[in-house]
Amino acid sequence: GENVEQHPSTLSVQEGDSAVIKCTYSDSASNYFPWYKQELGKGPQLIIDIRSNVGEKKDQRIAVTLNKTAKHFSLHITETQPEDSAVYFCAARGAGNQFYFGTGTSLTVIP
Amino acid sequence: DAGVTQSPTHLIKTRGQHVTLRCSPISGHKSVSWYQQVLGQGPQFIFQYYEKEERGRGNFPDRFSARQFPNYSSELNVNALLLGDSALYLCASCRGNQETQYFGPGTRLLVL
Repeated sequence: GENVEQHPSTLSVQEGDSAVIKCTYSDSASNYFPWYKQELGKGPQLIIDIRSNVGEKKDQRIAVTLNKTAKHFSLHITETQPEDSAVYFCAARGAGNQFYFGTGTSLTVIP
Repeated sequence: DAGVTQSPTHLIKTRGQHVTLRCSPISGHKSVSWYQQVLGQGPQFIFQYYEKEERGRGNFPDRFSARQFPNYSSELNVNALLLGDSALYLCASCRGNQETQYFGPGTRLLVL
């Protein structure tokens, strides 16, 4: 089945700086890649997603890039704010419509 | 619109007991998926139901079962609970079979 790896596991940035989280996947048939933000005690919240026929997608301060050849995708957050502090998960939709999640990145934005 | 709702929010059980968790999808969504999230890990896929039929099953033992009702709500059942079943159980819904998933707040299960 699909295997999703996520790096780094923890990330600290100064407020206003950029944050980048990277994921790799193993199944070339995977075609949909969402990113979720999870705050303490809450369920994951979808923040952005990308489909395999697109290389990049932006939504205000958040962007996702996808390199199908290398089987990796990345989340970019610009002008970080303290409220961006949370755990971020990448995921890939593989065979059988199953979603496979990375192990998460704990992002801390230092005011 | 209301989001995905789950009940109960918290639950404490002892080993060997049975538990039933409930999920109501977003209005208009016909697909429900269940995930187990152990502390410090990403969600692990358990089941997907679409139009009341099982469409996917993750690598979980037969002690785990689920069903979807005519109103598209769903139940996850776990029999013969083990300590290792302690986790946050998440439900996610989506409109169709291969569309964006939206998660509920989860049920935190503690097995003693």
